[in-house]
Amino acid sequence: GAVVSQHPSWVICKSGTSVKIECRSLDFQATTMFWYRQFPKQSLMLMATSNEGSKATYEQGVEKDKFLINHASLTLSTLTVTSAHPEDSSFYICSAREIAEGYNEQFFGPGTRLTVL
Amino acid sequence: AQKITQTQPGMFVQEKEAVTLDCTYDTSDQSYGLFWYKQPSSGEMIFLIYQGSYDEQNATEGRYSLNFQKARKSANLVISASQLGDSAMYFCAMWDFSGTYKYIFGTGTRLKVLA
Repeated sequence: GAVVSQHPSWVICKSGTSVKIECRSLDFQATTMFWYRQFPKQSLMLMATSNEGSKATYEQGVEKDKFLINHASLTLSTLTVTSAHPEDSSFYICSAREIAEGYNEQFFGPGTRLTVL
Repeated sequence: AQKITQTQPGMFVQEKEAVTLDCTYDTSDQSYGLFWYKQPSSGEMIFLIYQGSYDEQNATEGRYSLNFQKARKSANLVISASQLGDSAMYFCAMWDFSGTYKYIFGTGTRLKVLA
């Protein structure tokens, strides 16, 4: 199956700093990528849908200015947590959608664990 | 609105026995996909099995099978011959093919396999 990578796999930062998380589709082109957030022992919550070359679509309740998403190429989407605070500590997972003729599938990245001190 | 319900927050099963994890869904769409994912403590989402809404036969993948009952809107996961490595969180998810292509996840079931 196709591979999606995330970098970094974990990050610890001080309150007030910004953190960038990268999501890459390694062997396919992803016109759409999705960003999820997962709190401990809870389910994945979709934050936003990222389309290459256009603005991300955010789910209700997700702050656009807080979680900046950029999908600059068909293989890379980035999530920037701006002015991070301890309540932003979470597990962030991306997925990438591969589309080919007669084929439509999503693949998940391994996740990034963010801890804000 | 679309919704996935997993009513079992936690399950125990004896090694080598079979276990069924429940999942019910709600949608008004005709075209959708149902998925099961395993999430071990490492956090990665591991795809287990897929069932399309138009598939007439239940999906099977090795020790995993999906008991799809469309009229009841249920898509239960059956794991046969449980192994210690099956201990993890299991999520049922629905993918809407009609436009948004977004996953909707259930709350998950934590499975513990006992030796």
